[in-house]
Amino acid sequence: DTGVSQNPRHKITKRGQNVTFRCDPISEHNRLYWYRQTLGQGPEFLTYFQNEAQLEKSRLLSDRFSAERPKGSFSTLEIQRTEQGDSAMYLCASSLSPTTGSNSNQPQHFGDGTRLSIL
Amino acid sequence: GNSVTQMEGPVTLSEEAFLTINCTYTATGYPSLFWYVQYPGEGLQLLLKATKADDKGSNKGFEATYRKETTSFHLEKGSVQVSDSAVYFCALSGVRRASGGSYIPTFGRGTSLIVHP
Repeated sequence: DTGVSQNPRHKITKRGQNVTFRCDPISEHNRLYWYRQTLGQGPEFLTYFQNEAQLEKSRLLSDRFSAERPKGSFSTLEIQRTEQGDSAMYLCASSLSPTTGSNSNQPQHFGDGTRLSIL
Repeated sequence: GNSVTQMEGPVTLSEEAFLTINCTYTATGYPSLFWYVQYPGEGLQLLLKATKADDKGSNKGFEATYRKETTSFHLEKGSVQVSDSAVYFCALSGVRRASGGSYIPTFGRGTSLIVHP
């Protein structure tokens, strides 16, 4: 278990540029989540995947944001035409599916995040 | 919708003091409840969990009991250490809707704990 890996750790870019982040989950985990975290706040849910299927997207996720998990393993989060308000820590987490007979989530394992700064 | 409310920080304590961080929630269905801890510069780590009413989660001297009647999941530790200084997040799991889909987790804002020697 090498844990959840996120790259890059830091990204600084000019407003209007596109950025892409990568997340490598724990290999046996079929669920993958993306969150945004700003200073003094908890993680805000953005989207999640079950294998390669994107099952939920937050209303926070504007059409400038897109996420993929093409083979059900790693995932990418792209932000197009970045804005000042996109500056935040972007967290990825993975988990197993709910156990048989349960209807709630398993605990999530988080990466260390990608800090995005928009100049 | 679901929500989690945590006491505001920072909470400042001396080493060996007793810790309580309050957490209350609103949710439909019967979610699992979690406490996560975040050390500076790191991602969140699961501290403990409880999956049903009256369950007690415990780890590293921390405890929390799932109280359905008061919709609470308060975090406690009998004797804190300097190394416990971190931000603590209360969270509830998503719960599958009868219509079939949502497992969206909800996190509180976090409570910063500072422990002095």
